[in-house]
Amino acid sequence: AQSVTQPDARVTVSEGASLQLRCKYSYSATPYLFWYVQYPRQGLQMLLKYYSGDPVVQGVNGFEAEFSKSDSSFHLRKASVHWSDSAVYFCAVPNYNVLYFGSGTKLTVEP
Amino acid sequence: EAAVTQSPRNKVAVTGGKVTLSCNQTNNHNNMYWYRQDTGHGLRLIHYSYGAGSTEKGDIPDGYKASRPSQENFSLILELATPSQTSVYFCASGDRAGGFTQYFGPGTRLLVL
Repeated sequence: AQSVTQPDARVTVSEGASLQLRCKYSYSATPYLFWYVQYPRQGLQMLLKYYSGDPVVQGVNGFEAEFSKSDSSFHLRKASVHWSDSAVYFCAVPNYNVLYFGSGTKLTVEP
Repeated sequence: EAAVTQSPRNKVAVTGGKVTLSCNQTNNHNNMYWYRQDTGHGLRLIHYSYGAGSTEKGDIPDGYKASRPSQENFSLILELATPSQTSVYFCASGDRAGGFTQYFGPGTRLLVL
């Protein structure tokens, strides 16, 4: 069955530092893959989506993610984080018409 | 811009009471979803729907019913609310034509006393 794993429940970085949030997926074929973000007391918003083509996908607010079939990974990256990036980030993979989410990584950006 | 709204935004209910959470979408998406979010569990799928008149069980349907009377509206019903159903509930809409992207509402905070 399709699933995603986010091994880091919490990540803390300093403002201006680079960021990588990890996601590993389990799937039998090249999947759609998503990253969503949830700001405090809000719903989830899609950051970016991968289906095919260039393995590096650009998203909103300077985020990008790289798909790796050999590593079964879809890590999220940002070159320089801002305090406003503090949020919970979810990786997700669809199975038919249902999205399955990872457990989330809470990102804290320190001044 | 995709739009999913939920009502109420906050609800306090008593144990054994009936609770109805409502969701409306203006995206004309075929599929709608109800999730609950709890600390330590991430998002868990309760019920979903492929269109008006259809409801499907998700991963944790026990204690919940769903109703999809129209393309736009999808309700989650707790016939006999219990304290274990205290949570934040999210509605979402989406479809395959949109590449499985789901659009989420702002959530409903439910407290069952």
